[in-house]
Amino acid sequence: SQQGEEDPQALSIQEGENATMNCSYKTSINNLQWYRQNSGRGLVHLILIRSNEREKHSGRLRVSLDTSKKSSSLLITASRAADTASYFCATVANSGGYQKVTFGTGTKLQVIP
Amino acid sequence: GAVVSQHPSRVICKSGTSVKIECRSLDFQATTMFWYRQFPKQSLMLMATSNEGSKATYEQGVEKDKFLINHASLTLSTLTVTSAHPEDSSFYICSASKQGNGYTFGSGTRLTVV
Repeated sequence: SQQGEEDPQALSIQEGENATMNCSYKTSINNLQWYRQNSGRGLVHLILIRSNEREKHSGRLRVSLDTSKKSSSLLITASRAADTASYFCATVANSGGYQKVTFGTGTKLQVIP
Repeated sequence: GAVVSQHPSRVICKSGTSVKIECRSLDFQATTMFWYRQFPKQSLMLMATSNEGSKATYEQGVEKDKFLINHASLTLSTLTVTSAHPEDSSFYICSASKQGNGYTFGSGTRLTVV
């Protein structure tokens, strides 16, 4: 079963607007990461937030983490058409002596020029 | 940076044949690599964790005899889909972590079994 559930499943916005994607998970984690995937391609790591951090910024990206609610949000500010892609959250947790990465269901973002 | 190369990017094979997919960490050593499978418009499902010098750890429901994983060196892991069937057609992606902070992914392999 999926560790992470993301909402919305799809999001369509105008260029310049902000895009917010949410991720919820079920178990304790070491860190949470966000990835971007263009159609039919590999994943690109965007940002990592550790379990003891609450917010992190990287350029136009802003990630928040609420471990009490087991949720995270990814905010993309001043969106551009090039931001069109699928975005996945991934939780990293200890499992059987190694770190296991589990992906959420993803949000498909479309930015309209 | 950390670069992971995956080869081939696309492969078409006949039912019953085997296909090998390679995942290489180009500029770092990876004691652990991960193999994922992604169906169209869906998320990535972890298939197995590849451990250098030891047996892979498979996720529940993944047939270890069908998806053979070999991690013979610190820079190479291979996934072999044996006796492929059309239902094995999918997008397979590997990943590795350089320092445990973020994971670098290969560009993926689109397998089509006809």
